[in-house]
Amino acid sequence: EELLVESGGGLVQPGGSLRLSCVGSGFTFRMFTLTWVRQVAGKGLEWLGKIDDDGGEIQYADSVRGRFIISRDNAKRSLDLQMNDLKVEDTAIYYCVKGQQLFDVWGQGAPVTVS
Amino acid sequence: DIHMAQSPSTLSASVGDRVTITCRASQNVDNWVAWYQQKPGSAPKLLIYLASSLESGVPARFTGSGSGTRFTLTIDSLQSEDSATYFCQQYDAYPLTFGQGTKVQIK
Repeated sequence: EELLVESGGGLVQPGGSLRLSCVGSGFTFRMFTLTWVRQVAGKGLEWLGKIDDDGGEIQYADSVRGRFIISRDNAKRSLDLQMNDLKVEDTAIYYCVKGQQLFDVWGQGAPVTVS
Repeated sequence: DIHMAQSPSTLSASVGDRVTITCRASQNVDNWVAWYQQKPGSAPKLLIYLASSLESGVPARFTGSGSGTRFTLTIDSLQSEDSATYFCQQYDAYPLTFGQGTKVQIK
């Protein structure tokens, strides 16, 4: 079974930082682009950015560019999201997702509250 | 950014009904549209890709259609387990964008 498991969510004050991690299993982690998507409670989904299979190409949404950093360690099968200068509007559930454009495997979600 | 306008925002139907959800893109996205189902407390699940291709393991009562700017997700013979929120997504251009969701309730 293909799985992604996130960790690192929590409560942080505005202007603070938080790092989310995601570990993959059940698939050849190093071969896939990985993506971060967030969802404000009861609202829609927002694409945040992606990192290609070897980490050589990273793309961000305008809303987080310059504040969030996506990275990966294929040896550890891990994907990270470093979130800096957090704002109240960043409060959401954060999902790591397998795929570049189509998302067939999702993590369970990491809740982040900025307050 | 490409805006995906989804309608209705909520709908209520009975078991056995046919329901249709519509998604309109603000510009031509060819057939680069996917549909997801999300149940409370869970992550979204991919149902349809390339506007009309059924993801493996998804029941055949789910069908997608459309191209260009107008897309539909149809659920034939609605089942109780189909109670969920459904999202469309375009993957024609970055940033990838999603519709705001349609909540399907069972009467």
